[in-house]
Amino acid sequence: FKLTQPPSVSESPGKTLSISCTRNRGNIGSNYIHWYQQRPGSVPTAVIYEDDQRPSGVAGRFSGSIDTSSNSASLTISGLKTEDEADYYCLTFDNGQYVFGSGTRVSVL
Amino acid sequence: QLVESGGGLVKPGGSLRLSCAASGFAFSNYGMNWVRQAPGKGLEWVSFIGSSGSFIYYADSVKGRFTISRDNAKNSLFLQMSSLRAEDTAVYYCAANRNDGGNLEYWGQGTLVTVSS
Repeated sequence: FKLTQPPSVSESPGKTLSISCTRNRGNIGSNYIHWYQQRPGSVPTAVIYEDDQRPSGVAGRFSGSIDTSSNSASLTISGLKTEDEADYYCLTFDNGQYVFGSGTRVSVL
Repeated sequence: QLVESGGGLVKPGGSLRLSCAASGFAFSNYGMNWVRQAPGKGLEWVSFIGSSGSFIYYADSVKGRFTISRDNAKNSLFLQMSSLRAEDTAVYYCAANRNDGGNLEYWGQGTLVTVSS
């Protein structure tokens, strides 16, 4: 199965944006979804784990959700800051394999 | 902390062994993974080994060519790569997960593998 994300999204500072992660086969809710931020030249770090949990140290502006009707997960970033510019990846585990989403580049214009 | 080593330049068809040294957490309680990222591309999961080494999984793209292993006594993870192809060129990260299918909680800085003649 695959996890599909929009290649890029952009928004102005202070606004809110959401990134979708759609599963093409199987139930999005059957396994946890995790979200990672990767700034240029840096290692990925988790911003959301287990669908909607924030690791310690991650700003409350980051939130995650699952929508079983569209078989997708979403990462929402509110109060956008220029430091949020990065690539974002969703991740899930099923049948012995981790699968990463295709990745979304976020631009804060 | 996770520190990878062993990357470098190798010819197509060649072999390479990556290592990942762990410290600062209970290595033997964590599942371990290799994740790679080709230049300018997204993240790709490569392989997983359970905390005791009993469960091992591979991505289809490396099955039969790569072998993951670990030494809990030495807090170390390994990836033996053979029959390397140009498309295996990537930064290889080791990453640790506490629970099955869980968050990749710890990541190394990565080691670059370049497959080229």
